[in-house]
Amino acid sequence: TQLLEQSPQFLSIQEGENLTVYCNSSSVFSSLQWYRQEPGEGPVLLVTVVTGGEVKKLKRLTFQFGDARKDSSLHITAAQPGDTGLYLCAARNTGGFKTIFGAGTRLFVKA
Amino acid sequence: SAVISQKPSRDICQRGTSLTIQCQVDSQVTMMFWYRQQPGQSLTLIATANQGSEATYESGFVIDKFPISRPNLTFSTLTVSNMSPEDSSIYLCSVAETQYFGPGTRLLVL
Repeated sequence: TQLLEQSPQFLSIQEGENLTVYCNSSSVFSSLQWYRQEPGEGPVLLVTVVTGGEVKKLKRLTFQFGDARKDSSLHITAAQPGDTGLYLCAARNTGGFKTIFGAGTRLFVKA
Repeated sequence: SAVISQKPSRDICQRGTSLTIQCQVDSQVTMMFWYRQQPGQSLTLIATANQGSEATYESGFVIDKFPISRPNLTFSTLTVSNMSPEDSSIYLCSVAETQYFGPGTRLLVL
């Protein structure tokens, strides 16, 4: 069974702080996705990374895919209360169309 | 892009009853995915629904408990049958290889 392990599970920080969320696996994936989910809504796709070592930036969010395509990180610079939510990593194995999800990191940014 | 709507948005049901959840997409899609998100947990794939064929269920999920219909390329239903409190969860449909999710149906079984 392929598993995605996310850490930390919960993070409470002050506005303006930086943070990093990690997503790790022992399996190699063809692509990895990061989502953000707010209460009462479905997950919203933030980014997809497909190439080992790839780095993508989305405003204050920086996403990195590990060289071996087994892990990824999400770094948020100068967090804001609007960043509060559940961050999920997800991955699809090579040749597959099914997506598996990590357990999520619940982020709370205090003003 | 795809816009997905789900009905109902939430419901409270008695154990032993069944609830059918509808998922409507604003464009034609080949595959539709049904996920469950139990309280405080991540998403677990229930089944993949293709138009014109039987749904493919993941390990731990069976058709008798979660029958799925896929009558056309823009619509699908998931029924949660003979419900128990353990079925209390958020049920989500997704399309385009999980690029897009519906808002979810929040189910509480008493």
